Amino acid sequence: EDQVTQSPEALRLQEGESSSLNCSYTVSGLRGLFWYRQDPGKGPEFLFTLYSAGEEKEKERLKATLTKKESFLHITAPKPEDSATYLCAVQAFTNAGKSTFGDGTTLTVKP
Amino acid sequence: EAQVTQNPRYLITVTGKKLTVTCSQNMNHEYMSWYRQDPGLGLRQIYYSMNVEVTDKGDVPEGYKVSRKEKRNFPLILESPSPNQTSLYFCASSQEVDRGVGGELFFGEGSRLTVL
Repeated sequence: EDQVTQSPEALRLQEGESSSLNCSYTVSGLRGLFWYRQDPGKGPEFLFTLYSAGEEKEKERLKATLTKKESFLHITAPKPEDSATYLCAVQAFTNAGKSTFGDGTTLTVKP
Repeated sequence: EAQVTQNPRYLITVTGKKLTVTCSQNMNHEYMSWYRQDPGLGLRQIYYSMNVEVTDKGDVPEGYKVSRKEKRNFPLILESPSPNQTSLYFCASSQEVDRGVGGELFFGEGSRLTVL
């Protein structure tokens, strides 16, 4: 059974204080690992897809990396508008129709 | 504007009264899926559809039905709602999930359902 565990559950940062969110996964044949951002009362919004270990993707202050067991979402010099819940999800080759999500990390960035 | 549209956004109903939550996407996506989101349980997949007339169960299909008669629409049907189906529901779509690329999901705004 595919599993995704995200840590920490909640993270509070000062504006400009860089940090990382962790997503540990177990899946039989990783097809893709996905990061989403979810604002309160909204649907998740796609950020990145990573397909193989060693791959990295960047977007503004966010950088996602992938190993064979985990993924990190690095946030550099965050701003208050980066406050949101960040979700990680995996898809397996054995069942591309199924996405397994972690419980998310709620990030709060104080000015 | 590319979007996934769900209706209703908010609904309060009573146990046993059949209801349908509609979902429509305008991106010509082949894949569509329904999720429910509950505190402490995260997003859990209810049903998904790889293409028209093809549907499969997700992790929590009990008490729900779906149909995919057209590419753009994927309604979620609760035949006899119960209080444990009180939740926030999301519809999502994606392009080319069964091939080597893609798979990223585009979500609707959510439908908050309360069953009394």
